[in-house]
Amino acid sequence: RKEVEQDPGPFNVPEGATVAFNCTYSNSASQSFFWYRQDCRKEPKLLMSVYSSGNEDGRFTAQLNRASQYISLLIRDSKLSDSATYLCVVNGVNSGYSTLTFGKGTMLLVSP
Amino acid sequence: DTAVSQTPKYLVTQMGNDKSIKCEQNLGHDTMYWYKQDSKKFLKIMFSYNNKELIINETVPNRFSPKSPDKAHLNLHINSLELGDSAVYFCASSQAFSYTYNEQFFGPGTRLTVL
Repeated sequence: RKEVEQDPGPFNVPEGATVAFNCTYSNSASQSFFWYRQDCRKEPKLLMSVYSSGNEDGRFTAQLNRASQYISLLIRDSKLSDSATYLCVVNGVNSGYSTLTFGKGTMLLVSP
Repeated sequence: DTAVSQTPKYLVTQMGNDKSIKCEQNLGHDTMYWYKQDSKKFLKIMFSYNNKELIINETVPNRFSPKSPDKAHLNLHINSLELGDSAVYFCASSQAFSYTYNEQFFGPGTRLTVL
């Protein structure tokens, strides 16, 4: 089983739509969780952290289910500028040190 | 006032050559990383340095040698380049190693093409 798995997409949605991405991780000892965003030919940037109780940042809502080792990201009222690849990221332990493990990403395409 | 910068942005070279990529961060961070993103867009950690000390060395061929002259710099030297080394290499930094929080800031990437 891959360490962090995501549906690669692409998800094609019209502006204004609500879209959800899911992610599963294999290491039950993982400590913290994030969603990063990567635009085409650009570097990844932190979108939001994911907290156990779930958290919201504007149109974005992240959820974590530790029992199922499952993370989700919900985007409401999609904008054209949301088109990007969304990377699920898990902070685990490697040789006693914290390390980020990235999923392959889910591509989102928002059309007019 | 770029936070994490890398040079060069593009690198095209022949198989067998030796090349270096430089990275600098002005965030005052203690920890720096090198990642490789291949053609399938999979971002994988290669090395991590904390206060100039090598912390993580994933299963990377020893043709790759990182060097950290100080906390703000982490360079990557690659010997005897191979076709499979073609990828985008990202440098990143974070404030410190932390089990609970480890936001990493990425440089713009170096697109390496080996012919």
